[in-house]
Amino acid sequence: SQTIHQWPATLVQPVGSPLSLECTVEGTSNPNLYWYRQAAGRGLQLLFYSVGIGQISSEVPQNLSASRPQDRQFILSSKKLLLSDSGFYLCAWSMDWSRYEQYFGPGTRLTVT
Amino acid sequence: AQSVAQPEDQVNVAEGNPLTVKCTYSVSGNPYLFWYVQYPNRGLQFLLKYITGDNLVKGSYGFEAEFNKSQTSFHLKKPSALVSDSALYFCAVRDIKARTNAGKSTFGDGTTLTVKP
Repeated sequence: SQTIHQWPATLVQPVGSPLSLECTVEGTSNPNLYWYRQAAGRGLQLLFYSVGIGQISSEVPQNLSASRPQDRQFILSSKKLLLSDSGFYLCAWSMDWSRYEQYFGPGTRLTVT
Repeated sequence: AQSVAQPEDQVNVAEGNPLTVKCTYSVSGNPYLFWYVQYPNRGLQFLLKYITGDNLVKGSYGFEAEFNKSQTSFHLKKPSALVSDSALYFCAVRDIKARTNAGKSTFGDGTTLTVKP
């Protein structure tokens, strides 16, 4: 069966510090991968998605970047965090094409102080 | 473009009563529709989806949803609510022609369901 891991689970970082969140998927190959941010327990904002190694699409201009160095690894980064980067970050994967549902990781709670 | 609306921020029901969480959508073509549930400080969990076929879709934990093309709706329902159903529920849509955008979903803003004993 497939599983998705995210770490760390929680993170408190000062403004201006770098960020690296990691997501890995097991039990499948060539998944579509997604990074979302959820603010205040409400709607999801799609940040990045990837259809393959090294292929990253950005949905919104922001202080963040993403990379996919391996087929089942997706990394969210920032060089300098802003207060507005605080939130709940969710990684998700899906099979190729649109008929398939997404499976979400447990999330990372980021607080920028 | 695709969009989803969940018109109710909050739905309150008594345990044992039927529940409905509303969702309407807009796509240029035909939709794929999904419901997800989120418990506090957790990731989203897939509940059910409509792809094609029978308009009434059954999913996990006794939930079902009815696809209504004329009303562009996909309301989530359960005949008898449980206190443990209390959570945040998200509706999501993808355009059936979305083969060129990695199957991106558009999510609604979520509806908080509270089931009282």
